[in-house]
Amino acid sequence: GAGVSQTPSNKVTEKGKYVELRCDPISGHTALYWYRQSLGQGPEFLIYFQGTGAADDSGLPNDRFFAVRPEGSVSTLKIQRTERGDSAVYLCASSLTGTSGGIDTQYFGPGTRLTVL
Amino acid sequence: GIQVEQSPPDLILQEGANSTLRCNFSDSVNNLQWFHQNPWGQLINLFYIPSGTKQNGRLSATTVATERYSLLYISSSQTTDSGVYFCAVERGTSYDKVIFGPGTSLSVIP
Repeated sequence: GAGVSQTPSNKVTEKGKYVELRCDPISGHTALYWYRQSLGQGPEFLIYFQGTGAADDSGLPNDRFFAVRPEGSVSTLKIQRTERGDSAVYLCASSLTGTSGGIDTQYFGPGTRLTVL
Repeated sequence: GIQVEQSPPDLILQEGANSTLRCNFSDSVNNLQWFHQNPWGQLINLFYIPSGTKQNGRLSATTVATERYSLLYISSSQTTDSGVYFCAVERGTSYDKVIFGPGTSLSVIP
């Protein structure tokens, strides 16, 4: 695709429900990132994938959050037993290799706005 | 962990005016980026600038790594410049894990 896409664009759920958020990275990008952006804040790192493996999941807030990338392309962020505090915009980004130092540009998707009632 | 601060938090400009946005960070970094998030939420990288000065059209940025700050200059502002400007730093050596500041919300009015 031309860019990073995320679905759904909006998700409203009830407290306690399970949700899945999908990210389609740019074709050929091996690095994929999930961020969470609360209202009035900057994006907060959640997890980084290099290929199929989660190379750094230190940003996941607790064990209700889990993410997978089984074939090294599409990724799904899964949230169990949602809480009102999980309400935020969840952003996905991809880059060609994930190399540090400004060699690689991260391209961001439009985000999924999650509202937990 | 590293702290990233941005000032001012909010800014309103008349179209055509110039502005300077500031980013301070509490520790040494491998890289620093400036992003623009438009009113529809799309994040776009503006500059990679670990040190020195870069210019791109009406925008320029300067990072003084030894003093742990970076400045983003916007000249002759336009309404399309509205949105939130984020400073983001990288500390990792193995991959580009990015830590964002809280942002400066800019509104350019005609």
